[in-house]
Amino acid sequence: GAVVSQHPSWVICKSGTSVKIECRSLDFQATTMFWYRQFPKKSLMLMATSNEGSKATYEQGVEKDKFLINHASLTLSTLTVTSAHPEDSSFYICSARNAGGNQPQHFGDGTRLSIL
Amino acid sequence: QKEVEQDPGPLSVPEGAIVSLNCTYSNSAFQYFMWYRQYSRKGPELLMYTYSSGNKEDGRFTAQVDKSSKYISLFIRDSQPSDSATYLCAIQIGDTPLVFGKGTRLSVIA
Repeated sequence: GAVVSQHPSWVICKSGTSVKIECRSLDFQATTMFWYRQFPKKSLMLMATSNEGSKATYEQGVEKDKFLINHASLTLSTLTVTSAHPEDSSFYICSARNAGGNQPQHFGDGTRLSIL
Repeated sequence: QKEVEQDPGPLSVPEGAIVSLNCTYSNSAFQYFMWYRQYSRKGPELLMYTYSSGNKEDGRFTAQVDKSSKYISLFIRDSQPSDSATYLCAIQIGDTPLVFGKGTRLSVIA
């Protein structure tokens, strides 16, 4: 149980394009989903927390107009990297937490984004 | 002082060894304690989740929490090459965001 699916797993695109990453909780309802960014050999850096039906809460230093987050249902959140540039290249990971109290976060397998 | 300290390693052990991974934390308000395993180019996988002092066992894995010392450990018995990964401790207060350790890179040599 507690499976989080993230898609795509790898994307390469040209500078200036927008990229959408999907995060789905497959067997549970997730009122809260999280988006992280991870640099090589570093720990996870929280970008934003999204709650179903409301605006995401962004961490300090994360541009909300650059990283658009939508959490339209209890099983789906999306991260759109708008007008991506090479410095946006990174490993992006989502996680979801079950709607029940005191539940741990479960992570997707990440999306490797490469901007040329 | 960082909220959570974790030795980044790398740690290399022979197959069959007992592995001990540790984290210390500074804020006694932390309530929930997790260990995640992350293989290269994959997302973290939850191994253990606990919220009380003491030991919790799951197969070859044992998580230990000592709230009085603000110290958590993960023990891996009979380690296997497939255990080679980065292990992340994570701690949490209520519904606030997880605080991660830097991760310990483990290599189990056959």
